[in-house]
Amino acid sequence: GNSVTQMEGPVTLSEEAFLTINCTYTATGYPSLFWYVQYPGEGLQLLLKATKADDKGSNKGFEATYRKETTSFHLEKGSVQVSDSAVYFCALTGANNLFFGTGTRLTVIP
Amino acid sequence: EPEVTQTPSHQVTQMGQEVILRCVPISNHLYFYWYRQILGQKVEFLVSFYNNEISEKSEIFDDQFSVERPDGSNFTLKIRSTKLEDSAMYFCASSGLAFNEQFFGPGTRLTVL
Repeated sequence: GNSVTQMEGPVTLSEEAFLTINCTYTATGYPSLFWYVQYPGEGLQLLLKATKADDKGSNKGFEATYRKETTSFHLEKGSVQVSDSAVYFCALTGANNLFFGTGTRLTVIP
Repeated sequence: EPEVTQTPSHQVTQMGQEVILRCVPISNHLYFYWYRQILGQKVEFLVSFYNNEISEKSEIFDDQFSVERPDGSNFTLKIRSTKLEDSAMYFCASSGLAFNEQFFGPGTRLTVL
């Protein structure tokens, strides 16, 4: 079946630090992969996506590469800002739904 | 920018009571979804809805749950007789096409006492 395993949080970084949040998946077929972000008090927003192997999704300085050989989709950002503090969810498509990881809370301190 | 809205933001109810969670999807979207997140756990799929019928549901979505699109704008989730373990954040989502990006609402926090 489909599942997503996501790095446990919380993660606390200083501003301008490098960020990696690990995500690995198990899936039948060839799913699309997503990172969603949830800012305090708001809903889930799509951050980036990749629809096939070796695709790189990118947005707002965040990047993730669909790695079929390692079944991974790790989220990275070279220099985080205080405004990046949020909960980040890795997800993959099922037949007609999304499978999510548990979420990783990121706090960036000045 | 169009967005998905949900009401109420927080609902407190007694065990055994019925609750209805409301969602207004983005107006030209065709696919609608409910997910839930128990505190500290994964976001879990409950049900998807297309063309006025359920297209897929998870094991969680038992006979206590139902969904409805009573008019052209609202999409509701009803829990007939709430249990303590139904306490969670419930997210509504919609998409224009299947397998497209799903747009999520801010969630309703349900607390069952």
